Amino acid sequence: NAGVTQTPKFQVLKTGQSMTLQCAQDMNHEYMSWYRQDPGMGLRLIHYSVGAGITDQGEVPNGYNVSRSTTEDFPLRLLSAAPSQTSVYFCASSYGGRFTEAFFGQGTRLTVV
Amino acid sequence: DAKTTQPNSMESNEEEPVHLPCNHSTISGTDYIHWYRQLPSQGPEYVIHGLTSNVNNRMASLAIAEDRKSSTLILHRATLRDAAVYYCILSVLYGGSQGNLIFGKGTKLSVKP
Repeated sequence: NAGVTQTPKFQVLKTGQSMTLQCAQDMNHEYMSWYRQDPGMGLRLIHYSVGAGITDQGEVPNGYNVSRSTTEDFPLRLLSAAPSQTSVYFCASSYGGRFTEAFFGQGTRLTVV
Repeated sequence: DAKTTQPNSMESNEEEPVHLPCNHSTISGTDYIHWYRQLPSQGPEYVIHGLTSNVNNRMASLAIAEDRKSSTLILHRATLRDAAVYYCILSVLYGGSQGNLIFGKGTKLSVKP
């Protein structure tokens, strides 16, 4: 089982560039979410989805877009990268939301220069 | 969102039990208590979760106070591999997080040989 797969693992962007962070899970989970983690901090929720076609904002959604066209994939788009978006990004999925355990990917380390 | 309070850091000796405390005085009756841990340079890993009763699994035990305003994660015999940041999280039913995990700063556990 691959679990939750994030690509790429590392990325350097220039200010103003756009990119998409990929997240895929093979566990048929309905719940998926994106977090960012800054140095010395816990994770902060960016966006989440409770099923295909349904997304909503988390704590820090500004500057990010998401869509959920399939159960398996939940990409995170940075429309115009800013240095403040330099962070480690984690994707997570779970079967039953708050009732069940969540599985996290290994993260994408993004640097915006 | 419901908040938790944890010590910033704790130390333990290898092969001794570890009790990691968490206060959550504003918990509501439908909030689940989750524990995750994060090893260096990795994504968070599920440890245990519960609602009202104490819970045991192969990794740890979760002791929940009768009034649910605090809980304790118990590692029965700490190993060097248990050195990580441990997050105590309330997964709420209502509110903006809609069942997602809202992370605090966690407790950094150090294990001495």
